[in-house]
Amino acid sequence: GAVVSQHPSWVICKSGTSVKIECRSLDFQATTMFWYRQFPKQSLMLMATSNEGSKATYEQGVEKDKFLINHASLTLSTLTVTSAHPEDSSFYICSAPSLHRGFESYTFGSGTRLTVV
Amino acid sequence: QQQVKQSPQSLIVQKGGISIINCAYENTAFDYFPWYQQFPGKGPALLIAIRPDVSEKKEGRFTISFNKSAKQFSLHIMDSQPGDSATYFCAARSYETSGSRLTFGEGTQLTVNP
Repeated sequence: GAVVSQHPSWVICKSGTSVKIECRSLDFQATTMFWYRQFPKQSLMLMATSNEGSKATYEQGVEKDKFLINHASLTLSTLTVTSAHPEDSSFYICSAPSLHRGFESYTFGSGTRLTVV
Repeated sequence: QQQVKQSPQSLIVQKGGISIINCAYENTAFDYFPWYQQFPGKGPALLIAIRPDVSEKKEGRFTISFNKSAKQFSLHIMDSQPGDSATYFCAARSYETSGSRLTFGEGTQLTVNP
């Protein structure tokens, strides 16, 4: 089945630095990638939608200059958290439309736990 | 209108019992309703999904019941096992100008006691 590989699985960074999270579609082409943020014991919140070769669409309240998304190829999308602060600590997850047993689906990456100290 | 309401927030079931999680929505434009299972520190994994033209779908121990007129759908886990202990999210798909998107319920933390 479709696999989205997300790296790193966890990262600790100092306040003020930037962190890049990568998501790769391993056996299919992801023309669209969704980026979510999840706080402990809460649901997934959509941050932005990226389409290959075009600018990402950000949800209301999400700072596009802080969360830079690049979707330069059909198999790779990246999220860069710039000038990270402790309040950016969260679980970040990517997802792409895919096929599951021949039917439409959305495949999620394994997530990245970001801790800003 | 974009919300998906999920209940209960937490659920404790004995091994072998039936776990039932419910979701309700308002937006009649939703056209696809998946359920995801998430273990701590992992991304959600698709369990089972249904389209609104079907009232029930079963895959193994997992069944979705869909009531279009009531705008409700539910997940039934038969013969619940300790390994089913996880957080379950319902979701619904809509289309925006930017493309499709999933709206998630608040999640249900399921604990299956041995």
